[in-house]
Amino acid sequence: SQTIHQWPATLVQPVGSPLSLECTVEGTSNPNLYWYRQAAGRGLQLLFYSVGIGQISSEVPQNLSASRPQDRQFILSSKKLLLSDSGFYLCAWSGRSGEKLFFGSGTQLSVL
Amino acid sequence: AQSVTQPDIHITVSEGASLELRCNYSYGATPYLFWYVQSPGQGLQLLLKYFSGDTLVQGIKGFEAEFKRSQSSFNLRKPSVHWSDAAEYFCAVGDRSSASKIIFGSGTRLSIRP
Repeated sequence: SQTIHQWPATLVQPVGSPLSLECTVEGTSNPNLYWYRQAAGRGLQLLFYSVGIGQISSEVPQNLSASRPQDRQFILSSKKLLLSDSGFYLCAWSGRSGEKLFFGSGTQLSVL
Repeated sequence: AQSVTQPDIHITVSEGASLELRCNYSYGATPYLFWYVQSPGQGLQLLLKYFSGDTLVQGIKGFEAEFKRSQSSFNLRKPSVHWSDAAEYFCAVGDRSSASKIIFGSGTRLSIRP
């Protein structure tokens, strides 16, 4: 069966520090991969999605970047965190048809 | 570009009453449409989806949704809510051309009055 791993669960970082959140999927190949951010009152904001290795689509111009170095690995990064980067980050995957999203357990990021 | 609007931020209904959560989308053609639910402390769960065919879609937990092309809507309904239905509900729109870009609405928080 397919599983998605996302870590860490919580993270407290100072302003200006770098960020690396990792997500891996098991039990499937060639998944579509997604990073969302959930903030109160704003729902799930699509940040990045990827349909293959090295293929990244960015939805919102911001302080973040994403990479997909392997088929089932998706990384969210920042060189210098801002206060506004605080939020709950969710990784997700779907099959090629996009019929259903499977979400990770999320990372609560607090930038202080 | 696709977008989705959930006009109701918070709704409170009495247990046993009927429920309708609104969702409107903007898309050049017929999109993929989804409803997800996020219960407190839990992840997002797919309630139902519309890809094609019958515009009235049945989902899990007794929920249904109807796709109305003329109104660009995909409202979620349940005839009788239970206290366990208290949660955040998200409507989502998928890009039919790429099948990979999935946009969520801002969510509707549902509270149940005993």
